[in-house]
Amino acid sequence: GESVGLHLPTLSVQEGDNSIINCAYSNSASDYFIWYKQESGKGPQFIIDIRSNMDKRQGQRVTVLLNKTVKHLSLQIAATQPGDSAVYFCAENSGGSNYKLTFGKGTLLTVNP
Amino acid sequence: NAGVTQTPKFRVLKTGQSMTLLCAQDMNHEYMYWYRQDPGMGLRLIHYSVGEGTTAKGEVPDGYNVSRLKKQNFLLGLESAAPSQTSVYFCASKAGINEKLFFGSGTQLSVL
Repeated sequence: GESVGLHLPTLSVQEGDNSIINCAYSNSASDYFIWYKQESGKGPQFIIDIRSNMDKRQGQRVTVLLNKTVKHLSLQIAATQPGDSAVYFCAENSGGSNYKLTFGKGTLLTVNP
Repeated sequence: NAGVTQTPKFRVLKTGQSMTLLCAQDMNHEYMYWYRQDPGMGLRLIHYSVGEGTTAKGEVPDGYNVSRLKKQNFLLGLESAAPSQTSVYFCASKAGINEKLFFGSGTQLSVL
């Protein structure tokens, strides 16, 4: 099965609310994680990344939390806007080479006005 | 600076036909990748390259070949297309290990 997975395939929130998208990973040796956003008909777009020597990283309106104990990653979006509606993927370095990223299947976030 | 450019954007093939998808990046990245994206399957790695003249297999390499003759280009070939290769194909590149991937806008391929 997938080494990177998502707890919720879909998430629907009201505009202005905070969103939390979760991701579980199984490879305890993974040391780099990324969140991507993909809008319909477009390629994935980088949102934020985190290395395994950190447990939290903040960007503009987004925060990524990493819990290595339970192998869990989350993306928090503050004050969610309609433009945030998209599929969100988490990804981790996989394999011994660290050349490759393994992607989860994605969570569809829908923001209701 | 165009980033990662894929051509063509759309293509329809008949079973057994061949074609080449072109990926070009202008960021001087060492690593380049080809993924396919199918509904409910996420992004799956087909082939990748860690530098000019090198290629390696990913998760789903069967039915595809690649070449990296120039650092800026990564070509994905289908020698004999099959309906199972109907998918959206994404090229990506990055500067180094543990760096973020930059993606192209994708190629929608249908094999009839």
